[in-house]
Amino acid sequence: SQQGEEDPQALSIQEGENATMNCSYKTSINNLQWYRQNSGRGLVHLILIRSNEREKHSGRLRVTLDTSKKSSSLLITASRAADTASYFCATDVATGNQFYFGTGTSLTVIP
Amino acid sequence: SQTIHQWPATLVQPVGSPLSLECTVEGTSNPNLYWYRQAAGRGLQLLFYSVGIGQISSEVPQNLSASRPQDRQFILSSKKLLLSDSGFYLCAWSKGQGMRGYTFGSGTRLTVV
Repeated sequence: SQQGEEDPQALSIQEGENATMNCSYKTSINNLQWYRQNSGRGLVHLILIRSNEREKHSGRLRVTLDTSKKSSSLLITASRAADTASYFCATDVATGNQFYFGTGTSLTVIP
Repeated sequence: SQTIHQWPATLVQPVGSPLSLECTVEGTSNPNLYWYRQAAGRGLQLLFYSVGIGQISSEVPQNLSASRPQDRQFILSSKKLLLSDSGFYLCAWSKGQGMRGYTFGSGTRLTVV
């Protein structure tokens, strides 16, 4: 299975701190995406990084990709209580059209 | 703008009963459509995807089936539900491969009792 794995499974930080989540996957990819899910809701797309990119920024989000290690990280800077959610990475496979989701990191930001 | 509708939001069904979950997309044409299932506290498992009317690909063998009778309609069905079918079902769409991301519906919480 191409399904990725996020690490840690759960993360609790104080408001204002940075949060880092990692994603590892198994096979070569074309693209990797990060999503956010508030409890009991659908997922919201945050950012996509292509396999030929190493770093991408969007507001307080910074995503890195290391294809040699088959891993990605999502950094949320200056976290806010509203960032409390689960975060998932999703990877396609080099020969396919679908994205496969990881197991998620549950982030709690304490006000 | 594009919107995706998924219903019902919650559903409690007895074991052995049939299931029909519906998902419709507005504001776009020829979307790729997806059904995912999320077990409690777990990741998303891709169940089915469709790149066109009548074209369904299944990712895992299971008790469920999917159909796409119209371009922007995706239906998840079962003839007889099992306890293990309980979960959070999410429909999603993308334009092409999803390079701009998938757009998800709000999900259906299915409890089989």
